Amino acid sequence: AQSVTQLDSHVSVSEGTPVLLRCNYSSSYSPSLFWYVQHPNKGLQLLLKYTSAATLVKGINGFEAEFKKSETSFHLTKPSAHMSDAAEYFCVVSGSSNTGKLIFGQGTTLQVKP
Amino acid sequence: NAGVTQTPKFRILKIGQSMTLQCTQDMNHNYMYWYRQDPGMGLKLIYYSVGAGITDKGEVPNGYNVSRSTTEDFPLRLELAAPSQTSVYFCASSSPGEGYEQYFGPGTRLTVT
Repeated sequence: AQSVTQLDSHVSVSEGTPVLLRCNYSSSYSPSLFWYVQHPNKGLQLLLKYTSAATLVKGINGFEAEFKKSETSFHLTKPSAHMSDAAEYFCVVSGSSNTGKLIFGQGTTLQVKP
Repeated sequence: NAGVTQTPKFRILKIGQSMTLQCTQDMNHNYMYWYRQDPGMGLKLIYYSVGAGITDKGEVPNGYNVSRSTTEDFPLRLELAAPSQTSVYFCASSSPGEGYEQYFGPGTRLTVT
């Protein structure tokens, strides 16, 4: 069975400093992995996705994530945080391939201090 | 493309009332999903559909029903609303040809009092 664990429920950084949001996954097959962002009172927007191509995936707004099979990790990073990055971030793993279901992590709240 | 649209944006129901949350997508996606998101929590799958005429239960289906008569529409029906159904509801769609990336609607915020 597939599962995903976001290791931090809350991360606080200062504007201009690096961001690291940690995600570990468990999958019985080679999964697709996603990071979604949700700004307050908004829907979910895809940041980036890994689908068995390059292990370093670049997304929107300067975010990137690296798929590490040996560590079963898919951590999200950004070199320099911006105030507008403050949001909820979800790490997501694909479930059954014939239904397209996704398994969501519990979310990490990113706070960016001025 | 409008993507995934949901109506209404907000709704207040009294206990025992019923309502239908509407979801429409214009991307010709076969797969559609309904989630609920409780405060401070992740998303939980209520129902999903892999094509017109085909629906199946997700993680938390009790108190809800769905139908899928067309590719575009996937309405969610709440019967006999209860306070435990107070939540934000998201509809999403996807296609195998796009790596199962799900596209989300803006959500419906429902309060049952």
